[in-house]
Amino acid sequence: GAVVSQHPSWVICKSGTSVKIECRSLDFQATTMFWYRQFPKQSLMLMATSNEGSKATYEQGVEKDKFLINHASLTLSTLTVTSAHPEDSSFYICSAGSGGHTDTQYFGPGTRLTVL
Amino acid sequence: KNEVEQSPQNLTAQEGEFITINCSYSVGISALHWLQQHPGGGIVSLFMLSSGKKKHGRLIATINIQEKHSSLHITASHPRDSAVYICAVRTGNQFYFGTGTSLTVIP
Repeated sequence: GAVVSQHPSWVICKSGTSVKIECRSLDFQATTMFWYRQFPKQSLMLMATSNEGSKATYEQGVEKDKFLINHASLTLSTLTVTSAHPEDSSFYICSAGSGGHTDTQYFGPGTRLTVL
Repeated sequence: KNEVEQSPQNLTAQEGEFITINCSYSVGISALHWLQQHPGGGIVSLFMLSSGKKKHGRLIATINIQEKHSSLHITASHPRDSAVYICAVRTGNQFYFGTGTSLTVIP
């Protein structure tokens, strides 16, 4: 089946630094990718929708200047957490689909970010 | 009020038991997903449904569009089924997630 990878799987950084997380669709072209975050013991929260070649659509309450999303190709989307703070520590997950309202979503394994 | 409600929140079962997890939603949807999240966070998409019923191994998922309700069933449960099961619905490009059901299967 289709595979979505994320890199890195785990990252620790100092407060104030920026961290980039990659999401790749390995064997299919993903016209849409979604980024989620998950706080401990809570469900997933959709952060933004990225479409290849266009600007990402952010959910209400998500700072677009803090969470930079780039979807420059059909197989790669990146999420950059800028000027990270301890409260940004979370589990970040991406999913990718080939497009359409009923396409199957394939979830990446997630990236655990810890900001010291 | 959450757009997606799951029940129960926590579930403990003996190995071999038949398990049902329920999901109700209040929005019009184009698809409903059942996700499995193991300790450590990795998420696996189990099913995507827009109507009817799907079966994969010991897992069965059903959806009733009129009643806005879906169920995930696990037959002959096993300790390796212990995980958090999340119901997610999609309407356009908007996803709504349930809070998850934490399942523990005891040997």
